[in-house]
Order: sequence, then C-alpha cells, then structure tokens
Amino acid sequence: DTAVSQTPKYLVTQMGNDKSIKCEQNLGHDTMYWYKQDSKKFLKIMFSYNNKELIINETVPNRFSPKSPDKAHLNLHINSLELGDSAVYFCASSPGQGPYEQYFGPGTRLTVT
Amino acid sequence: TQLLEQSPQFLSIQEGENLTVYCNSSSVFSSLQWYRQEPGEGPVLLVTVVTGGEVKKLKRLTFQFGDARKDSSLHITAAQPGDTGLYLCAGDSGGSNYKLTFGKGTLLTVNP
Repeated sequence: DTAVSQTPKYLVTQMGNDKSIKCEQNLGHDTMYWYKQDSKKFLKIMFSYNNKELIINETVPNRFSPKSPDKAHLNLHINSLELGDSAVYFCASSPGQGPYEQYFGPGTRLTVT
Repeated sequence: TQLLEQSPQFLSIQEGENLTVYCNSSSVFSSLQWYRQEPGEGPVLLVTVVTGGEVKKLKRLTFQFGDARKDSSLHITAAQPGDTGLYLCAGDSGGSNYKLTFGKGTLLTVNP
C-alpha cells in the first residue's frame, strides 16, 4: 500500500504549456507539502498545507497554483511552463506541523523542452 | 533565509571504512533531521534531533546535534554498499510555521 503517491512519474512538455501533478496520501496526515529538487539535488520547499489551508508559499511564481480539495490530496498546477521549471517535484505529508517525519512521494520528473 | 552547508559534497569510499558527514549553519535550529535519498525515490527519514548535544544511534549510524544547535554530524562505521545514497540534513528554525530548510546533500558511494 503506497503511503504517498504522485502522478505522473514523468512529464515531458513544451514551453508555454499548462500541466498538473497530482498527489495523494493514505496516512491520515493533516499536513502536505510540495518540494522542488533541481538538477544539483537541492531540495527546496514550495508550498505547505495544513488541513487544506495554505500555510507556506515560499515565494513561488504565481504560475504555480496548488490546490487541496481535501486533506488527503494536494495537487500542483503549473501555467505557462518555462525551461527553468524542469526539475523533480516531490509531494510529502506529515501528521502535523512540527518535527515529525515527512513521508515523501516517489517524485515527478518534469522536463520542459 | 537560513542556510545549511553540508560537507563533503561527494564521498567515495571502500566497504568497511568509516566516514563522517557534516551539516553546519550560522543559525540556530529548533530541530534537525537527516534523510537518505536513493536514485529515483523520495527522501526517507533517518533521524530527528531536537536537543543540543543530543546523540542518537541507528545501528551503524551515529547522529549528533551540536550543543548550540547550529550543526550536526552523521558518522557511519564499517560502511556497506547498501549505505550508498544522497544524505540530506534539514533544519527547522522554529518560526510560527514549521518549515524545513535542506542542505545540498552529500552523495555517498560505498564500493564493494
């Protein structure tokens, strides 16, 4: 049983397109996150949601719009994709805000051509 | 923005050797975590430390949180090929909203 799942695993698209990544967790956690890992493996938080409420928006361009329809889901929609958006995007969840273990999904490798 | 510096960036050793990875910052963290990431997968938590001077052991891995809570180390004894991976430290500054700041990672390769 997968704890945190993401779809798709790979996404190849052209500049200017709009795409979405979906994330689901079956752990009953209250908090979910989106992270971006660049080509040098640097992992940086983008968004954090707690009980469907946006808690952290880490100065991400407004082309990126997260949406949490319920506590178990956190989706990421990206408009007008740019070359610099190419990266691996990870969804994660934790029981709440605080030094809990964060459970990461397998990642979505986005390639913008 | 708080920064976490990890060193070394790359480490290639032979099976059976010992190694230490360092995670340093000029800022104080209320808690610090170490994760390991394998290729094509998400990071997996190894340990959380919250008290200055705290030492935690996980089989052959020993984690230490500095007394001033600005640095941490990960020591592996008798490394095995299965230890190969990207080791990431991540700290939380303790603000109103919990947020992890990750270091840039140490890529460890243990050769048989």
